[in-house]
Amino acid sequence: EPEVTQTPSHQVTQMGQEVILRCVPISNHLYFYWYRQILGQKVEFLVSFYNNEISEKSEIFDDQFSVERPDGSNFTLKIRSTKLEDSAMYFCASSEQDRGREKLFFGSGTQLSVL
Amino acid sequence: AQTVTQSQPEMSVQEAETVTLSCTYDTSENNYYLFWYKQPPSRQMILVIRQEAYKQQNATENRFSVNFQKAAKSFSLKISDSQLGDTAMYFCAFMKHESGNQFYFGTGTSLTVIP
Repeated sequence: EPEVTQTPSHQVTQMGQEVILRCVPISNHLYFYWYRQILGQKVEFLVSFYNNEISEKSEIFDDQFSVERPDGSNFTLKIRSTKLEDSAMYFCASSEQDRGREKLFFGSGTQLSVL
Repeated sequence: AQTVTQSQPEMSVQEAETVTLSCTYDTSENNYYLFWYKQPPSRQMILVIRQEAYKQQNATENRFSVNFQKAAKSFSLKISDSQLGDTAMYFCAFMKHESGNQFYFGTGTSLTVIP
């Protein structure tokens, strides 16, 4: 079965450093998303991306965050200057375009630890 | 705004028994989807079952079934013949039909299946 792939599985960084989290969505999917889950808390929506632009973003997704689809396969989340509170599990997800088939397929996540 | 509430942070069930996980939601929308996702220790989010709000018939997927009560805004998950592999965090999620696939998650219920 096709799957969403995320790398790395665990990223450790110093506060103030930039990090890039990488995702390879399912090949025929056209909608892409980032979610995060702080330990012990709920999964929170960050951003959705379609047709090479952000279609929706949450309040969490401030100027420190950016997303990019640099080529036909990768979808990246960049955090410019990490803060301690950015420590979380970050999930990438993708879905098909077809209406009535709104299933999100999640990657296994990247655990980001900001020290 | 949409909210999803899971009032049971932790639950346990004996192997082969049946367990029901609760979920309620609040929305003014009439057309939406509801989902249950499973998050095993590997942290990957796996779709368990989904329900279209316009369908009165409760969705069923093998040992998993839902009790969808639209008027009460309730969407519980029943797991029959519980197996050790069902041990996981379970998230209830809501999606508006025209939201660009933005999901709203509950805080999760940690289920432990006891041998």
